[in-house]
Amino acid sequence: RKEVEQDPGPFNVPEGATVAFNCTYSNSASQSFFWYRQDCRKEPKLLMSVYSSGNEDGRFTAQLNRASQYISLLIRDSKLSDSATYLCVVTRFNQFYFGTGTSLTVIP
Amino acid sequence: EAQVTQNPRYLITVTGKKLTVTCSQNMNHEYMSWYRQDPGLGLRQIYYSMNVEVTDKGDVPEGYKVSRKEKRNFPLILESPSPNQTSLYFCASSLLGQGAPANEKLFFGSGTQLSVL
Repeated sequence: RKEVEQDPGPFNVPEGATVAFNCTYSNSASQSFFWYRQDCRKEPKLLMSVYSSGNEDGRFTAQLNRASQYISLLIRDSKLSDSATYLCVVTRFNQFYFGTGTSLTVIP
Repeated sequence: EAQVTQNPRYLITVTGKKLTVTCSQNMNHEYMSWYRQDPGLGLRQIYYSMNVEVTDKGDVPEGYKVSRKEKRNFPLILESPSPNQTSLYFCASSLLGQGAPANEKLFFGSGTQLSVL
């Protein structure tokens, strides 16, 4: 079983839409949780860390449910510039584990 | 400017010809790591290092070597490259192990596209 699993998509949404991505992790000992954004063939960049209490950064909201081993990312009022691949990342015992990413295309 | 510098950006080589991909960071991070990214498989960790002279295997270490003689540098060595090592490689560093979990984010280099013919 993969350490981190994501729906690969693609998600094609119109500008202004709200879109949600989900991610599950297999090991309950996972320690830290992140969402990264990756543009085509470029280096991933941190979008936001994810906390059990939930956290928000502008149009982006992340949630962590440790009991269900589930992480989510909500993007409100999608912009064309949000088109990218979104990677779910967890850490456990000094290693980072990446999901395969969810592809998002925002359409004019 | 805080950054991870990875070179070269593109590399084409032939089977069996030893190569080194360099990685350097200027943030005094103790943690450094290497990943490869392949379609449908996402990023997979090759090796990581918690500090100078401390390296450990990740999920896909076969065919790779690393060294950590100085805190800032973490080169990836392919002693005898094979075509199945054709991939996009990323080096990264982090404050993992040096403070609060919120500071553990990875800083990535700009990547090396390696083709082994």
